[in-house]
Amino acid sequence: NAGVMQNPRHLVRRRGQEARLRCSPMKGHSHVYWYRQLPEEGLKFMVYLQKENIIDESGMPKERFSAEFPKEGPSILRIQQVVRGDSAAYFCASSPRGQGFYYGYTFGSGTRLTVV
Amino acid sequence: DQQVKQNSPSLSVQEGRISILNCDYTNSMFDYFLWYKKYPAEGPTFLISISSIKDKNEDGRFTVFLNKSAKHLSLHIVPSQPGDSAVYFCAANLNSGNTPLVFGKGTRLSVIA
Repeated sequence: NAGVMQNPRHLVRRRGQEARLRCSPMKGHSHVYWYRQLPEEGLKFMVYLQKENIIDESGMPKERFSAEFPKEGPSILRIQQVVRGDSAAYFCASSPRGQGFYYGYTFGSGTRLTVV
Repeated sequence: DQQVKQNSPSLSVQEGRISILNCDYTNSMFDYFLWYKKYPAEGPTFLISISSIKDKNEDGRFTVFLNKSAKHLSLHIVPSQPGDSAVYFCAANLNSGNTPLVFGKGTRLSVIA
């Protein structure tokens, strides 16, 4: 039973390019969460999605960032026109419906984005 | 506005001794608390949790204590082992899991052999 799969593990982008981060949740998990960890910071919530729905995007920057979780395929976090301040580790987590608070989330290994 | 605070960025403990990691929160509506452990270049992994209706939960070497009146929780690891060296995140939950977890900044634990 594979865990949460994130790819790529490392991503280098030049300023102004687009970054696409992918997350496949654990089998049977229908809730996906994206968190960002800046250097020397904790995990900051970005967006919470269920299949084809954005449930809570209160942590997403208003511009350049978007997320989706289509009916088929992985969840995608897209960052357009990246800037150096976007350099961070981006973690995806998943949970079964309604059970997140018992066992918490299962996290992926993260994507480390470096903007040069 | 940080709702979950871990005021000690780092902690060093000798192998075999007790490690105590602390966490404070500001929102009295949090109803569930969790601890995660994170090794470098890996994602956080769930360690232990506690409901707000309890004051203690134990799992092997790990015990979490909750003091609701003080809005404080702590994670005790005893005995500490070198493999426990990692960053520990405290997290809190509102509304029985229907809202995203709120994390603290983490405490880096180093267990010295």
